[in-house]
Amino acid sequence: NAGVTQTPKFQVLKTGQSMTLQCAQDMNHEYMSWYRQDPGMGLRLIHYSVGAGITDQGEVPNGYNVSRSTTEDFPLRLLSAAPSQTSVYFCASSLGGADDFYNEQFFGPGTRLTVL
Amino acid sequence: AQSVAQPEDQVNVAEGNPLTVKCTYSVSGNPYLFWYVQYPNRGLQFLLKYITGDNLVKGSYGFEAEFNKSQTSFHLKKPSALVSDSALYFCAVREGGYQKVTFGTGTKLQVIP
Repeated sequence: NAGVTQTPKFQVLKTGQSMTLQCAQDMNHEYMSWYRQDPGMGLRLIHYSVGAGITDQGEVPNGYNVSRSTTEDFPLRLLSAAPSQTSVYFCASSLGGADDFYNEQFFGPGTRLTVL
Repeated sequence: AQSVAQPEDQVNVAEGNPLTVKCTYSVSGNPYLFWYVQYPNRGLQFLLKYITGDNLVKGSYGFEAEFNKSQTSFHLKKPSALVSDSALYFCAVREGGYQKVTFGTGTKLQVIP
């Protein structure tokens, strides 16, 4: 199993550009989420999904869109990049569902995004 | 709303000494509590979790955590620190019945040789 994969590893954008951060998992996990990590702020939840076709907003959703057309993929779209979106982005997945026992998250390696 | 507090930005401990990284939480219902570790330029890795049952939870790499309901705490501990334990540690909470996970701001652990 590859686990959770994220592409690209690094990205530099200019203000106003759009892009999609890719996330995929091969563990058949229902629950997937996107976080951003900023110094002194810890991890903040952007969007999450509890299954294919179902998404919801997290703590800091503005400026980001998500969709979940398959169980495996959960892309994050930046609509019009701003310098405030400079951050490290992590995708995570967990088994989720009704069984609360198996709910630790597996994290991808992260995407370091710089917006100029 | 659920929340997590890690009151120490950094903890320094000498190699071989016991270590404690503090975490307190707030949820309305039953808490599910987690500790994750992050090494430089890496994603987070799961260390241990408390779901129900024994208040002392054992996890990876010799770490353990004690759930204290009255003090709403879930402190991470290890009897003897290693230099290789130096990393960033995150506490997280999820309320039973909900899928959102809230992370603390992280505590940098520095183990001094």
